Amino acid sequence: GQQLNQSPQSMFIQEGEDVSMNCTSSSIFNTWLWYKQDPGEGPVLLIALYKAGELTSNGRLTAQFGITRKDSFLNISASIPSDVGIYFCAGQRHTGANSKLTFGKGITLSVRP
Amino acid sequence: DTEVTQTPKHLVMGMTNKKSLKCEQHMGHRAMYWYKQKAKKPPELMFVYSYEKLSINESVPSRFSPECPNSSLLNLHLHALQPEDSALYLCASSQVRTSGGETQYFGPGTRLLVL
Repeated sequence: GQQLNQSPQSMFIQEGEDVSMNCTSSSIFNTWLWYKQDPGEGPVLLIALYKAGELTSNGRLTAQFGITRKDSFLNISASIPSDVGIYFCAGQRHTGANSKLTFGKGITLSVRP
Repeated sequence: DTEVTQTPKHLVMGMTNKKSLKCEQHMGHRAMYWYKQKAKKPPELMFVYSYEKLSINESVPSRFSPECPNSSLLNLHLHALQPEDSALYLCASSQVRTSGGETQYFGPGTRLLVL
């Protein structure tokens, strides 16, 4: 099935650095979601975006819903070791009975102390 | 509270066994989902239940049988699985927001190993 474009597959940063991740699509989405997943655990919702242009923060995390509705980015500021994990973006077109998420392939983030 | 719980945490089964995975949410969400996830890949949708009725089946083999006994519970019955079915099985739930949009919350998953 269709996937959102998330790259690179892996990112390596130094503790304290900021990092930005992008997610793009050729199709329009009405909701953008960012999840973080630790090994052996389920994805944890970080930020949900519902309107084009929306900018939302959650602590050191900031995410934006692109104005074209075809992209979103996630920024992590002042990274710490516990930021290590896989970050997935997900888009949703419809709500209700036909609600489905389209996922990106995920970015594995490593933070060097 | 945005908690989705899943049991068991880990499951090992033989190819002739019958087992069930359980999922529970008490957020009053109208939709519940089953996903399969392989290592370092995104979750793959299997089934969607909306108001306790199966609304989406993503062409999943019949050896996986979902059941929604009530609005808070979702089961996945497993029978005659293959080793390639070994994966992390995730449950999620969601509710349409009055202001628009819908957010899925995931459970911690069941790690399944088929021998």
